[in-house]
Amino acid sequence: DIQMTQSPSFLSASVGDRVTINCKASQNINKYLNWYQQKLGEAPKLLIYNTNNLQTGIPSRFSGSGSGTDYTLTISSLQPEDVATYFCLQHSSRRTFGGGTKLELK
Amino acid sequence: EVKLQQSGDELVRPGASVKISCKASGYTFTSYSMHWVKQRPGQGLEWIGAIIPIIDTTEYNQKFKGKATLTADKSSNTANMELSRLTSEDSAVYYCAREHYYSSSYVMDAWGQGASVTVSS
Repeated sequence: DIQMTQSPSFLSASVGDRVTINCKASQNINKYLNWYQQKLGEAPKLLIYNTNNLQTGIPSRFSGSGSGTDYTLTISSLQPEDVATYFCLQHSSRRTFGGGTKLELK
Repeated sequence: EVKLQQSGDELVRPGASVKISCKASGYTFTSYSMHWVKQRPGQGLEWIGAIIPIIDTTEYNQKFKGKATLTADKSSNTANMELSRLTSEDSAVYYCAREHYYSSSYVMDAWGQGASVTVSS
């Protein structure tokens, strides 16, 4: 099974900061990588699919990049409403979530 | 509007089984796979498995084989997950999620509200 290692597990940043979250796969996942945002008490919400495609309705400050085994979610200018936990999900072989990154405001 | 309505929270005894349902509306139930995801309190997400209702094919995370059984009732547009031989490790929120295939990507683009299972004597 493919393992996904997400880092950091916790992140504190200020409004307006550029934030990056990383996911590393145990093998090449050919860009089959999605990102989700989960706010407290809610179900996850799709942000980005296939590495760099923004889901409809998601603000353009969110972006994704990567290839092979290494992937990144970037928030270009952090907003208060972005406080949440973020997960990556590979769908190259079955499904595996990353461990999550809890993002808080400094 | 796509909606996945899950059954209510459950309190169950150790060793018992529990069945969680996920009723789909707003789309053609048989055209999409349904996935199940576990989230323990304060923890990350774990993929349990999926069912393709149109052909009743299932796929499981090896970790949940023998623990979870996925079924789909096409007559009522409902996906079900039964968890057996429950222990405290099974206490969690369980989500169903529709998976859609588009633009060469599989995306879980609609989620149920979650069903909490608490295993306690």
